[in-house]
Amino acid sequence: EAEVAQSPRYKITEKSQAVAFWCDPISGHATLYWYRQILGQGPELLVQFQDESVVDDSQLPKDRFSAERLKGVDSTLKIQPAELGDSAMYLCASSPAPYGYEQYFGPGTRLTVT
Amino acid sequence: QQQVKQSPQSLIVQKGGISIINCAYENTAFDYFPWYQQFPGKGPALLIAIRPDVSEKKEGRFTISFNKSAKQFSLHIMDSQPGDSATYFCAATAGGTSYGKLTFGQGTILTVHP
Repeated sequence: EAEVAQSPRYKITEKSQAVAFWCDPISGHATLYWYRQILGQGPELLVQFQDESVVDDSQLPKDRFSAERLKGVDSTLKIQPAELGDSAMYLCASSPAPYGYEQYFGPGTRLTVT
Repeated sequence: QQQVKQSPQSLIVQKGGISIINCAYENTAFDYFPWYQQFPGKGPALLIAIRPDVSEKKEGRFTISFNKSAKQFSLHIMDSQPGDSATYFCAATAGGTSYGKLTFGQGTILTVHP
C-alpha cells in the first residue's frame, strides 16, 4: 500500500538553528500539504502545493519558514531560525485530487527545540 | 467561521459499548467531512468521510451521522474494542473554494477498557 514518506522522524535542535524536513507524497498525488500539530491539538495547515505551485501559504510564518516543491513531487519544509515555540509534529499529507478530498498523512516529524 | 468544534475532549467506554463523538461547524461552504484516527506517534489516518448530500454513512463498525440543518455531524463506533483506543479528529473542507484545506476539531481521546 502506497504511503507518504517523511524524514527525519525525530529532530532535536537548539533554538536559532536551521532545520529541514522532507516529504515524498504518494506517487501521482498532485496536491501536497504541510500541517503543524501541537501536542493535544488538531493539525493546522501551513502550506499547500498544487504540483509545484503554492496555492495557500497564508498560515506560514514566512519570516522563518519556507517550503518548496521544485519538481512537483517531493517537498522540503525549512525553519530558520528555529524558536522554542516551533516544537511540534510536522505532518505532510497528499491527495490525488486538486480539491484535497481524501488526504493521506505521513508519519510526521517530531521537532523539539531546546 | 472556519472553526470546527469537537466534543467531548475525552471519552471512556467499556469494550462492546458505543462511542459517540460530536462535531459542529459554522461555515456553510464546507462540503466534505472526514474523520481521522491517530495513534500516539503516528500521523492521522483517514477513517471515514461524508458529503452533505447524505445523512448517514456506515463502514463496518463506524458510522457518520450528518445533520445539515443543525450543522452538526457525529462519529459512532459500535462494539468498541480496546484497539480503537486512539485520538479521533473530525475535519471539514470547502473543497473547490479552498483547494481542500482541512479544518480540524480539537480531537477526542478515546479509551476503551477491556
